[in-house]
Amino acid sequence: EVQLVESGGDLAQPGGSLKLSCVTSGFPFSSYDMNWVRQAPGRGLEWVSYIGSSGKTMYSADSVNGRFSISRDNAKASLYLYMHSLRGDDTAVYFCARGRQCSGGNCYVDYWGQGTLVTVSS
Amino acid sequence: EIVLTQSPGTLSLFPGERATLSCRASQSVRTGLLAWYQQQPGQAPRLLIYGASNRASGIPDRFSGSGSGTDFSLTISRLEPEDSAVYYCQQYGNSPSTFGRGTKVEIK
Repeated sequence: EVQLVESGGDLAQPGGSLKLSCVTSGFPFSSYDMNWVRQAPGRGLEWVSYIGSSGKTMYSADSVNGRFSISRDNAKASLYLYMHSLRGDDTAVYFCARGRQCSGGNCYVDYWGQGTLVTVSS
Repeated sequence: EIVLTQSPGTLSLFPGERATLSCRASQSVRTGLLAWYQQQPGQAPRLLIYGASNRASGIPDRFSGSGSGTDFSLTISRLEPEDSAVYYCQQYGNSPSTFGRGTKVEIK
């Protein structure tokens, strides 16, 4: 069974930093491209960041470019999101998401984690 | 970036009725690379359709997708109570990938 389990969400101050983690199981992690997608409270979905299966190719949304960075550890079947210079509009549930049919960092998502809540507030 | 406009905002129907959800793109979506997701309250989204018309694994055949270019639709042929949810479309043919704002389906 494919499982994606996020952690690391917390209350952070504006300008602060957080690290999100996603531990996966049930599939050959190193063979799949991965993404982070977020959802602000009561709002829709927003793609945040993509990383290719080898970890060599990464893309991020303009809204987080230069502030967030994505990485992966294939030996640990884990995905990470490093978040810096946090702003109020970064408040959201962050989903770890397995990408399929990816091209240029654009994928559809066939499996989602349950999400981890990041709240940015003073 | 491509803006996806979903309509209607809310659809309220009886069990057994047919639901048609629309997703219109601000420009043509490359080779029909459009997906649909269902999200129930407090849960993660679930993939329903990819490539505009391909049902994902385990999705009942009452869900179907169609369309190309800028106009896409998701049809639920016979609504069941568990179909009450918000439905999102996503284009992944053009950078950046974008989502619509969702259509809420209510079962009366």
